[in-house]
Amino acid sequence: NAGVTQTPKFRVLKTGQSMTLLCAQDMNHEYMYWYRQDPGMGLRLIHYSVGEGTTAKGEVPDGYNVSRLKKQNFLLGLESAAPSQTSVYFCASSYSLREQFFGPGTRLTVL
Amino acid sequence: AQTVTQSQPEMSVQEAETVTLSCTYDTSESDYYLFWYKQPPSRQMILVIRQEAYKQQNATENRFSVNFQKAAKSFSLKISDSQLGDAAMYFCAYRSLTGNQFYFGTGTSLTVIP
Repeated sequence: NAGVTQTPKFRVLKTGQSMTLLCAQDMNHEYMYWYRQDPGMGLRLIHYSVGEGTTAKGEVPDGYNVSRLKKQNFLLGLESAAPSQTSVYFCASSYSLREQFFGPGTRLTVL
Repeated sequence: AQTVTQSQPEMSVQEAETVTLSCTYDTSESDYYLFWYKQPPSRQMILVIRQEAYKQQNATENRFSVNFQKAAKSFSLKISDSQLGDAAMYFCAYRSLTGNQFYFGTGTSLTVIP
């Protein structure tokens, strides 16, 4: 099993560009999450999903959109990137909510 | 939103010694889960230990143990016989028994001195 994978691992964008981050899990987990990690701020929840076809807002959803068309995939989109979105993005999944399994992270820089 | 506070941004410990990382949380719930996650330089988040609030006994995983004080809303992590591989960022996290969201603290960076 690959666990949770994230694509890409690194990306540099210019202000105003758009991009999509892909999270994939092969553990048949219902719950999936997108976080951003910034120095001194821990992990903050952007959006999450409790199952295929569902999405919900987290703590910091502005500027991001998500989709969960397939159970194994959770996409995070930035429609018009801003320098404030420079961060490390983590995807996580969970089956029972007693533990989260994290991907390796995506380092995004917006110039 | 729930609040999880880690008041120690940085800690250091001598190899083979014991260190305790602090975490407090704010909740009005009676049933919940608490977690400690480790993030080494590789960035991969790894679950270290989990505590269910309804269990009075403190969780233990090998050299890692917690001191769970429900009334004080405190959840500290004790690392015994510290090893170089324990050097990492440690995050405390909370989840309500009835909720789907996990709330993380700001992390404590642990340095292990040889």
